[in-house]
Amino acid sequence: AQSVTQLDSHVSVSEGTPVLLRCNYSSSYSPSLFWYVQHPNKGLQLLLKYTSAATLVKGINGFEAEFKKSETSFHLTKPSAHMSDAAEYFCVVSAQFKAAGNKLTFGGGTRVLVKP
Amino acid sequence: DGGITQSPKYLFRKEGQNVTLSCEQNLNHDAMYWYRQDPGQGLRLIYYSQIVNDFQKGDIAEGYSVSREKKESFPLTVTSAQKNPTAFYLCASGNRDRETDTQYFGPGTRLTVL
Repeated sequence: AQSVTQLDSHVSVSEGTPVLLRCNYSSSYSPSLFWYVQHPNKGLQLLLKYTSAATLVKGINGFEAEFKKSETSFHLTKPSAHMSDAAEYFCVVSAQFKAAGNKLTFGGGTRVLVKP
Repeated sequence: DGGITQSPKYLFRKEGQNVTLSCEQNLNHDAMYWYRQDPGQGLRLIYYSQIVNDFQKGDIAEGYSVSREKKESFPLTVTSAQKNPTAFYLCASGNRDRETDTQYFGPGTRLTVL
């Protein structure tokens, strides 16, 4: 069984300040972990992915995430928020056994508001 | 959105009608997926297909049906048996091996029941 908890449903930041989106997971297997972003009425876009290589993963648009096995966390950060970062962000874990067909389990999402 | 297209973007349905949502991909992916998204609930898996002519139920398959006659296409039918079909529907595709198990999403179809 696997689950994902995004600890904040809403985050508000000022433009130019750091962004931190928190995610904790549980998985019976070595997980793949993802962060996706969704702008209003759009599909999900992949920001970054962890698959047991480097624990610090760099993604698109200046985002990065650190995998911490001891804390079962995969928090997403960006040093300086931009107005275009206003969106909803999903932390996702993937089942690693082939019978499951790589089923994804989604967190509930974190909506980011960026203030000018 | 990559090489995944969904149509239509918006769809309105009267109660009691079946409707079919289209999903096409040109990424040569083996697996395709349908998700439903409701406000504040994240995404839930409806059906998935790992190979042509085969598909499995996801977590909320009741009231939905799918087919996978071609690798590129995975249409979803929302039947009249689905009690609350108003939602945003997302299609995704991907491959199954660990190194490339990323799913890529289409732009979505917003279905509204009138």
